[in-house]
Amino acid sequence: AQSVTQLDSQVPVFEEAPVELRCNYSSSVSVYLFWYVQYPNQGLQLLLKYLSGSTLVESINGFEAEFNKSQTSFHLRKPSVHISDTAEYFCAVRGSGGGADGLTFGKGTHLIIQP
Amino acid sequence: DAGVIQSPRHEVTEMGQEVTLRCKPISGHNSLFWYRQTMMRGLELLIYFNNNVPIDDSGMPEDRFSAKMPNASFSTLKIQPSEPRDSAVYFCASSFRGGYGYTFGSGTRLTVV
Repeated sequence: AQSVTQLDSQVPVFEEAPVELRCNYSSSVSVYLFWYVQYPNQGLQLLLKYLSGSTLVESINGFEAEFNKSQTSFHLRKPSVHISDTAEYFCAVRGSGGGADGLTFGKGTHLIIQP
Repeated sequence: DAGVIQSPRHEVTEMGQEVTLRCKPISGHNSLFWYRQTMMRGLELLIYFNNNVPIDDSGMPEDRFSAKMPNASFSTLKIQPSEPRDSAVYFCASSFRGGYGYTFGSGTRLTVV
């Protein structure tokens, strides 16, 4: 079984400032890691994922996350945020074995961009 | 592709009534997941199917909850009888079995009064 801890329930940051959303996971097996974003009254959208290979993964809208196995972390970062980045961000994990097991999600971090 | 389609978007019902939530996964996807989202508990996996077969329903909270997938293009989540504490947003997601990306529907916001 896996678990995910998102240490901050809410992160306020000024527009154009950098941001880091923290995620730690626990698992007894190798994992795949994901970040999802949820805008108000919408479903979750995949932002980026780590499966294997380079530990730094990027999204098309400027976010990046780095897999750190020793610290069991997968923190999400963006060097300069925009008002449109205001949303709920969820870190998720699943085992990397065969089959399509369900994702285990963290409680989410509400990113609030202040003008 | 229209994505994962859920209906209804909103449902308000009285305590004790039966509620049926519907989901149409993306064509070709052979895994389907039902999640529940609340402020207190976040996103919880209720049940998932591979090739229309329920694989893990350990997240289903009580016997009042049941889910079916009669074919590859349709699934239902039923609550009978409903209770106020079932109020939540219910999401359906689908993927290729063994795949890495899960596509979520827009959710059904259920309010039980």
